[in-house]
Amino acid sequence: GAVVSQHPSWVICKSGTSVKIECRSLDFQATTMFWYRQFPKQSLMLMATSNEGSKATYEQGVEKDKFLINHASLTLSTLTVTSAHPEDSSFYICSAIPRESYEQYFGPGTRLTVT
Amino acid sequence: KQEVTQIPAALSVPEGENLVLNCSFTDSAIYNLQWFRQDPGKGLTSLLLIQSSQREQTSGRLNASLDKSSGRSTLYIAASQPGDSATYLCAVTGGYQKVTFGTGTKLQVIP
Repeated sequence: GAVVSQHPSWVICKSGTSVKIECRSLDFQATTMFWYRQFPKQSLMLMATSNEGSKATYEQGVEKDKFLINHASLTLSTLTVTSAHPEDSSFYICSAIPRESYEQYFGPGTRLTVT
Repeated sequence: KQEVTQIPAALSVPEGENLVLNCSFTDSAIYNLQWFRQDPGKGLTSLLLIQSSQREQTSGRLNASLDKSSGRSTLYIAASQPGDSATYLCAVTGGYQKVTFGTGTKLQVIP
């Protein structure tokens, strides 16, 4: 089956620094990848849609200058949390859709803690 | 805007019981509906995927049904086990491949 990986699986960073999270589709090409965020005891909320070769589309309320998304290839999308604050601490999950498919495959998630 | 609601929010049952989790969505224009489980602090595990043209899917002790016209899906778990304890999420895929997640049902199966 289709596999999506994320790296790192967990990261702790200091307030004010930036952290990059990678999302890779291991055995398929994905023209579209999605980034979600999950706060404690809440469901997953879509942050942005990442399209290969074009700018990401951000959901309302998500700061595009704070959450930088780059989809440089058909197998890799990155999310960079810039100038991280403790309130950015969350669980970030990506998903990817193979070509000609509507099924999303989810990564294992990255837990970010900002101290 | 699609909204997905899951009832109940939490459920506690003794081991061996059959149980039903409910999911409702407001916009019936969906491509598919998925059920996931999420263990504490972990990512998502896909359980079942139902295409919009399908009525149900089965995998082992799990059976999911879909009534697209009424905006409802149920996840039936037979002979529950303590290892089934987790949060169960339903999610619908709509236009532009956007996935909307439900609020989740936290299940506890008591030995």
